[in-house]
Amino acid sequence: AQSVAQPEDQVNVAEGNPLTVKCTYSVSGNPYLFWYVQYPNRGLQFLLKYITGDNLVKGSYGFEAEFNKSQTSFHLKKPSALVSDSALYFCAVGGSGAGSYQLTFGKGTKLSVIP
Amino acid sequence: EAQVTQNPRYLITVTGKKLTVTCSQNMNHEYMSWYRQDPGLGLRQIYYSMNVEVTDKGDVPEGYKVSRKEKRNFPLILESPSPNQTSLYFCATGGVPGEQYFGPGTRLTVT
Repeated sequence: AQSVAQPEDQVNVAEGNPLTVKCTYSVSGNPYLFWYVQYPNRGLQFLLKYITGDNLVKGSYGFEAEFNKSQTSFHLKKPSALVSDSALYFCAVGGSGAGSYQLTFGKGTKLSVIP
Repeated sequence: EAQVTQNPRYLITVTGKKLTVTCSQNMNHEYMSWYRQDPGLGLRQIYYSMNVEVTDKGDVPEGYKVSRKEKRNFPLILESPSPNQTSLYFCATGGVPGEQYFGPGTRLTVT
C-alpha cells in the first residue's frame, strides 16, 4: 500500500523568505509524486509532478520540488514566499502504470506567509 | 474553458433522506473520482471510475453509491445519509495520470 506523510500541520514563513513544505512517501516500485494547492473555499489545483528524470521539478507559481529517492522525500520549495501563497498544500503519491490514476494524499500542510 | 461542476455547493439535510450530488466535466476525461475532505484526515477517496460503466471502491465507500452512465457525469448518491457523512466533498477528473482537476466542492451537513 502506498502512503504519504506531511509531518507539519502548519508552516509559517515571512514574506520574501524561502519556504519548504515537507513530504515523505512510501510506495512499491517507482513513485509518481504530486503537489496540489487548495485556496480557501476552492477545490485542489495541480502544482507539479515528478515521474522520472531530474530530481528538481518546476511547477506553477514559482514552486519547485526536490525528489530524494534515498530519503523517500519530495519537499515543496519556493525561493521567495508571497502572501498570496498562503493556502493548504497536499502531497500525493501514485503508483506506476495504469494505477497512477489513483492517488493517495497526505493530510495537508497549512502554509501561512506573514507580511 | 475546462471545468468540473458540482451541484449543489451547499446542502443541509436530515438523517435518512436520500440525496444526490452531481458532478459533470467537459474535458472528455475517462477517469473520475469522488473524495471527502475532513479536518485532520486530508482527502480520502470514496469511489472512482476508469470509464463509462466501470466503477470501483476507494478507501471509504461505505454509505455511498455512484454511477457512470455517461462519460461526462459521475453522481454521488447517499441513500440514507448519517451525521458521520457530514463533510466537504470533491469530484475530480483526470486525463493525464495523477493530474486531476477538482470541482469546487460540496459542503454537506447531515443533522
